[in-house]
Amino acid sequence: NAGVMQNPRHLVRRRGQEARLRCSPMKGHSHVYWYRQLPEEGLKFMVYLQKENIIDESGMPKERFSAEFPKEGPSILRIQQVVRGDSAAYFCASSPPGTGAVYEQYFGPGTRLTVT
Amino acid sequence: AQSVAQPEDQVNVAEGNPLTVKCTYSVSGNPYLFWYVQYPNRGLQFLLKYITGDNLVKGSYGFEAEFNKSQTSFHLKKPSALVSDSALYFCAVRDGTGGYQKVTFGTGTKLQVIP
Repeated sequence: NAGVMQNPRHLVRRRGQEARLRCSPMKGHSHVYWYRQLPEEGLKFMVYLQKENIIDESGMPKERFSAEFPKEGPSILRIQQVVRGDSAAYFCASSPPGTGAVYEQYFGPGTRLTVT
Repeated sequence: AQSVAQPEDQVNVAEGNPLTVKCTYSVSGNPYLFWYVQYPNRGLQFLLKYITGDNLVKGSYGFEAEFNKSQTSFHLKKPSALVSDSALYFCAVRDGTGGYQKVTFGTGTKLQVIP
């Protein structure tokens, strides 16, 4: 029973390049969440998606960041024209369908993005 | 708006001693409360949750937490700490009233268990 999978685990990009982070939720889960964690800081919510729908993107920067969760395939967090301040660990989490509030989230191992 | 406070950046405890990691919360409706643990270079792992029912919740690895409505607290406890418990612990809250509410995480407390 595979858990939440994220790839790549480590990603190095130069300033101005694009970063694509992938997340495959646990089998049977239809809710996906993306978080960003900066060194010595907590977990910051970015976006919550269900299949083909963005439910809450209140934590996403208005520019350069986008997310999708297509009908088939993994969820993608895309960062265009990366800057050094984007360097962080990005975590994906998933939860089962239904009334999501009672469910805990299952986290992937994270993607550590370094912008040089 | 909902919020979570973890007042201690770090907690040090000797191996074999009881440990407490503190968490207080603020929500306008019914609190759904969660504890997660993060080991170095890993994702968060779920430990336990309070949704309703008994105020004392038992979870993984011998951890438990007590929900105190009057003090709006949900402290994490373990009777006897192990060196392997050393990690970063996050408290989280979600408003269980009404429709969708996102989860808000605390800033984390680093637990150091000293041999």
